[in-house]
Amino acid sequence: DAGVIQSPRHEVTEMGQEVTLRCKPISGHDYLFWYRQTMMRGLELLIYFNNNVPIDDSGMPEDRFSAKMPNASFSTLKIQPSEPRDSAVYFCASTFSGGNYNEQFFGPGTRLTVL
Amino acid sequence: AQSVTQLDSQVPVFEEAPVELRCNYSSSVSVYLFWYVQYPNQGLQLLLKYLSGSTLVKGINGFEAEFNKSQTSFHLRKPSVHISDTAEYFCAVSATGYSTLTFGKGTMLLVSP
Repeated sequence: DAGVIQSPRHEVTEMGQEVTLRCKPISGHDYLFWYRQTMMRGLELLIYFNNNVPIDDSGMPEDRFSAKMPNASFSTLKIQPSEPRDSAVYFCASTFSGGNYNEQFFGPGTRLTVL
Repeated sequence: AQSVTQLDSQVPVFEEAPVELRCNYSSSVSVYLFWYVQYPNQGLQLLLKYLSGSTLVKGINGFEAEFNKSQTSFHLRKPSVHISDTAEYFCAVSATGYSTLTFGKGTMLLVSP
């Protein structure tokens, strides 16, 4: 298996622009998580899905952030408009609830820089 | 709700020396505990986990951790570190039966020759 795939790996954009981050979970996994990692706040859970349905989005910082999962193999995290304080590494992770335990498998992350 | 405290943000150590990375958690319910490792410019990778049973858990790369319920701790240890162990280590907790993880702020392990 290719693991969790995220694109792009790096994104540099200007303040006010729309940013879309993409994630392909491991095939067969039924949970998908979006995290944000910063030096100040560490690793924060933004939102997670179960069977493509958003379960908890309480970690989404503002209305500028939105996430979708149109099917089991694809999810997006969108920021519109972007701001410099959104600069961070964004991770996607997935897990299968039917296993011994739902270990989360992480993608390599997208490093976002908003100028 | 659960919380995790990693007491050291950075731990410098010489190669072949032993190391302990400390983790304390808080929870009003039973928990699962995890250690993840993050190498530079990579995602997180599971090092080991405690679900139940023996309180001493062995993981990959020679690491082990001990669950201490009375002290609400889950410290990570390795008897002899290598340069390649230089990475950031995250302790995480999950309420049993739930899928979400709460992470600590991380501990940077710096191994020098």
